[in-house]
Amino acid sequence: TQLLEQSPQFLSIQEGENLTVYCNSSSVFSSLQWYRQEPGEGPVLLVTVVTGGEVKKLKRLTFQFGDARKDSSLHITAAQPGDTGLYLCAGAYGTASKLTFGTGTRLQVTL
Amino acid sequence: ETGVTQSPTHLIKTRGQQVTLRCSSQSGHNTVSWYQQALGQGPQFIFQYYREEENGRGNFPPRFSGLQFPNYSSELNVNALELDDSALYLCASSSPSNRVITDTQYFGPGTRLTVL
Repeated sequence: TQLLEQSPQFLSIQEGENLTVYCNSSSVFSSLQWYRQEPGEGPVLLVTVVTGGEVKKLKRLTFQFGDARKDSSLHITAAQPGDTGLYLCAGAYGTASKLTFGTGTRLQVTL
Repeated sequence: ETGVTQSPTHLIKTRGQQVTLRCSSQSGHNTVSWYQQALGQGPQFIFQYYREEENGRGNFPPRFSGLQFPNYSSELNVNALELDDSALYLCASSSPSNRVITDTQYFGPGTRLTVL
């Protein structure tokens, strides 16, 4: 049972467009992480958000943690083909590294 | 510094068989977590090993078992394979600290298991 729901499930956009991926849960997490996974590889950590309302930026990617620490969003500005991949959010309780992953959002960026 | 490695890369088994998957943790990491990722879904936590002891388990039946060795490498064993066990099995290593935030986990490339 996935406790973290991501939307949309699939997203196909053209280079240069902006997009937002959402991660929602009924549970409160101590921290939330975003990963990107490419075919044939394991997930790679992009960011960890800890404080409710926190916003972190990583180049063209902006991550936000909801005030109640139950939801998060990932916004990509001016998407590029290199952004193509499976984006996963994952929640954690305390410092435990036992992650609860979301359902995933598969992004395809075309020229 | 070597990253997390897993073997084999791919594996095909038949229903009822047993399988052992292996994971070498990143240098200096004493914690290994295993995840199952079914096609089109996010990974699901199976269990975690910390200094050779099981340190938490997800909602998986007892036929999923594991080991961690003194060098912190780990094995995942699955008995009586079922068709639904077909998935990508990921291991991740980390090194717990006293920080407030969750420790960073480094994932291996996974083992793709197909059960026929």
